Amino acid sequence: AQKVTQAQTEISVVEKEDVTLDCVYETRDTTYYLFWYKQPPSGELVFLIRRNSFDEQNEISGRYSWNFQKSTSSFNFTITASQVVDSAVYFCAPHGGKLIFGQGTELSVKP
Amino acid sequence: GAVVSQHPSWVICKSGTSVKIECRSLDFQATTMFWYRQFPKQSLMLMATSNEGSKATYEQGVEKDKFLINHASLTLSTLTVTSAHPEDSSFYICSARGDSGANVLTFGAGSRLTVL
Repeated sequence: AQKVTQAQTEISVVEKEDVTLDCVYETRDTTYYLFWYKQPPSGELVFLIRRNSFDEQNEISGRYSWNFQKSTSSFNFTITASQVVDSAVYFCAPHGGKLIFGQGTELSVKP
Repeated sequence: GAVVSQHPSWVICKSGTSVKIECRSLDFQATTMFWYRQFPKQSLMLMATSNEGSKATYEQGVEKDKFLINHASLTLSTLTVTSAHPEDSSFYICSARGDSGANVLTFGAGSRLTVL
């Protein structure tokens, strides 16, 4: 069974601050994927990243970066120089056959 | 890119009626579709996995007779909430996975159901 823990329920920052969203997962699968999705107030889920469990390289995409540490089963997400438009709920989700979502972290970026 | 269309985006119905929600993959064939429900301020809960041409696999605690899922073609899956009650009011989201093996799910925009 898969399990995801996003310990931060809500985070509030001021624009231009950096913010890191934590994700710790549990899975019995030897091969799996890890995802991050963004859900803005409109409700639609926006795909951000997919990471294969074999690939532990960190990834950067613009202001977004991800730190995958397989040894600690963590897949943290950092937004650099946050903007108001980043305000949303962010979900971490492991995929080992089916996609199971964490509880989500609600990020509020204030101007 | 892959697009999933979900319809209706919102629906209000009376208690006791049935509501059908459609999920269509517009530019790819979806061998597998997933249905989630989301209560306000909560996470997405996987309800069932539907594979084209076969019966859906329901998650523990989800009533299959209550939530009927049909995946009759490679581009369409439907979720029917039968004899809806106010506690069924929720945000229902479908997602589709193509046959490319990339395991990236494309999500529909969701359907907000309100049962009066």
